[in-house]
Amino acid sequence: QSALTQPPSASGSPGQAVTISCTGTSSDVGAHNYVSWYQQRPGKAPKLIISELTKRPSGVPDRFSGSKSGNTASLTVSGLQAEDEADYYCCSYAGGNSVIFGGGTKVTVL
Amino acid sequence: QVQLQESGPGLVKPSQTLSLTCTVSGASVSSGDYYWGWIRQPPGKGLEWIGYLLGSGGTYYNPSLKSRVDISVDTSNNQVSLKLDSVTAADTAMYYCARNPHIAAFDYWGLGTLVTVAS
Repeated sequence: QSALTQPPSASGSPGQAVTISCTGTSSDVGAHNYVSWYQQRPGKAPKLIISELTKRPSGVPDRFSGSKSGNTASLTVSGLQAEDEADYYCCSYAGGNSVIFGGGTKVTVL
Repeated sequence: QVQLQESGPGLVKPSQTLSLTCTVSGASVSSGDYYWGWIRQPPGKGLEWIGYLLGSGGTYYNPSLKSRVDISVDTSNNQVSLKLDSVTAADTAMYYCARNPHIAAFDYWGLGTLVTVAS
């Protein structure tokens, strides 16, 4: 069970959009919509920002959106703000009642 | 408001058993509506799912850890416990407990507890 593949880093200027990819296989990301995304600021616990591929929990700004194409899920942060600088992790159901995370992407606001 | 708090020894010797407890408030661990999971994060690295338990029964583990892990529930104290056997330095990590409203979505997390494996 290998980790989902995310780019190690991504960056953008304030107001721009940044998209983070999360590549798995036809057995996990590609098989269903049970993909979630987490934001983790330094020294803090992860925070759920997207569940079931596209759903935003209450309180999460609509600047955050999720999508999928084939075996690759994506998180887009539109209108980038300084407070969005953090690590982002994807997570997918991997079958057999198991779950797998991505390796994480560090987003820098330039 | 749902709150989770991890507790346990911060230092464990190699080959021994790591034991952690997650105390839950604002929700019942015996409810069949939620899974209760453990996730870990080695220093400077990414997240790794350890396993989870359905409050009404059923435990599921990361295949890579399955032979060493046990997750159980204490309904009288509203707690979920993690035991990891035969630890090595590779098990040094921040350990988090979290609630799953459904599979692959962890909506409430504890603050985490750092466990170091060293002699």
